[in-house]
Amino acid sequence: GQQLNQSPQSMFIQEGEDVSMNCTSSSIFNTWLWYKQDPGEGPVLLIALYKAGELTSNGRLTAQFGITRKDSFLNISASIPSDVGIYFCAGQMDSNYQLIWGAGTKLIIKP
Amino acid sequence: KAGVTQTPRYLIKTRGQQVTLSCSPISGHRSVSWYQQTPGQGLQFLFEYFSETQRNKGNFPGRFSGRQFSNSRSEMNVSTLELGDSALYLCASSLGGLRYGYTFGSGTRLTVV
Repeated sequence: GQQLNQSPQSMFIQEGEDVSMNCTSSSIFNTWLWYKQDPGEGPVLLIALYKAGELTSNGRLTAQFGITRKDSFLNISASIPSDVGIYFCAGQMDSNYQLIWGAGTKLIIKP
Repeated sequence: KAGVTQTPRYLIKTRGQQVTLSCSPISGHRSVSWYQQTPGQGLQFLFEYFSETQRNKGNFPGRFSGRQFSNSRSEMNVSTLELGDSALYLCASSLGGLRYGYTFGSGTRLTVV
């Protein structure tokens, strides 16, 4: 099925570092969502974006809806051990109701 | 309030068999969506039900089917299982759609041998 291009696929970082990941699409989206999935659990919604250019924060997490409506970014500041997991972006296109998902970014914190 | 409950959590089936997975949404939620998750593939949309009607369907073969009951509980059925059907199947419930947010269950891990 159709997917968003999410990068990087995985990240190895030191505790305290900032993290950036993004999703891109060849199509225009009217909604972008960012989820986090812990092992053995379902994804949990972190941030929802509904307008081009929108910048929204949730604690140390900040996400932006790209002005072209074809991309979105998620930043995590000052990472901590509990940030490890898989982060997914998901978007909804104007002409299609269902959510389209990225393949995920696996965040690993180096000891 | 109780979250989204999926049963069973784990399942092992043999190729060719059929399987039924269950999802109980959050009380008051009328929309239930099903996803298949395989390693490195993200989440693939299967279908969504709202008030007992299938509202949207992904690109999966007809072996995958679902239904929703009047109490909003939903079941997903896969017939003639194939090895490639091994995956985590996730259910998400919502009051009525995307803008209300989706809450996921913990999933059912299906292994086909």
